Amino acid sequence: DAGVTQSPTHLIKTRGQQVTLRCSPISGHKSVSWYQQVLGQGPQFIFQYYEKEERGRGNFPDRFSARQFPNYSSELNVNALLLGDSALYLCASSFSPRANNEQFFGPGTRLTVL
Amino acid sequence: QQQVKQSPQSLIVQKGGISIINCAYENTAFDYFPWYQQFPGKGPALLIAIRPDVSEKKEGRFTISFNKSAKQFSLHIMDSQPGDSATYFCAASITGANNLFFGTGTRLTVIP
Repeated sequence: DAGVTQSPTHLIKTRGQQVTLRCSPISGHKSVSWYQQVLGQGPQFIFQYYEKEERGRGNFPDRFSARQFPNYSSELNVNALLLGDSALYLCASSFSPRANNEQFFGPGTRLTVL
Repeated sequence: QQQVKQSPQSLIVQKGGISIINCAYENTAFDYFPWYQQFPGKGPALLIAIRPDVSEKKEGRFTISFNKSAKQFSLHIMDSQPGDSATYFCAASITGANNLFFGTGTRLTVIP
């Protein structure tokens, strides 16, 4: 069975640009969460979506937005990129928000902002 | 504010030795404590998890010890192998909230 997939694998952008990252959850999983992992740190929670609705938001500015589609895939958008947005962006899926909290992570998208 | 504090930052262990990583938390509402293993270029992978109704959980060479009164939990890797060399993250969450709070990570190196 395929795990969580993310695209693209790597991305290079310049300051001020906008970026869209994509995630496909494990088949049967309906909840998707996004995390930002800065080099040398643990992942930081950005958003959780379940059944196309936002269920949680971390301490990130409004430049960050996301959505979930009817097939449970998700997109993370970041506007007006800053150098500090350079990080590994991880997507995690779970069956539901209450499914034993077990989340399965994808390989991430490495975003570099120049 | 770091919700989960992890130590040490790095750890070097001989093959066959015991690796011990410690974490502490403040929020008593946390009721799920997973450990994740991350290899370079990969996303974190769930290794083992515990809930506060038990003090220890063992899966193969990996054991979580949990001390509810001290608000601390630790990962023990017995008979450490070079293939265990990775970064380990402890985390905590609240049932229903589902956002994980991660520690800062421990880079484990097991030398042959």
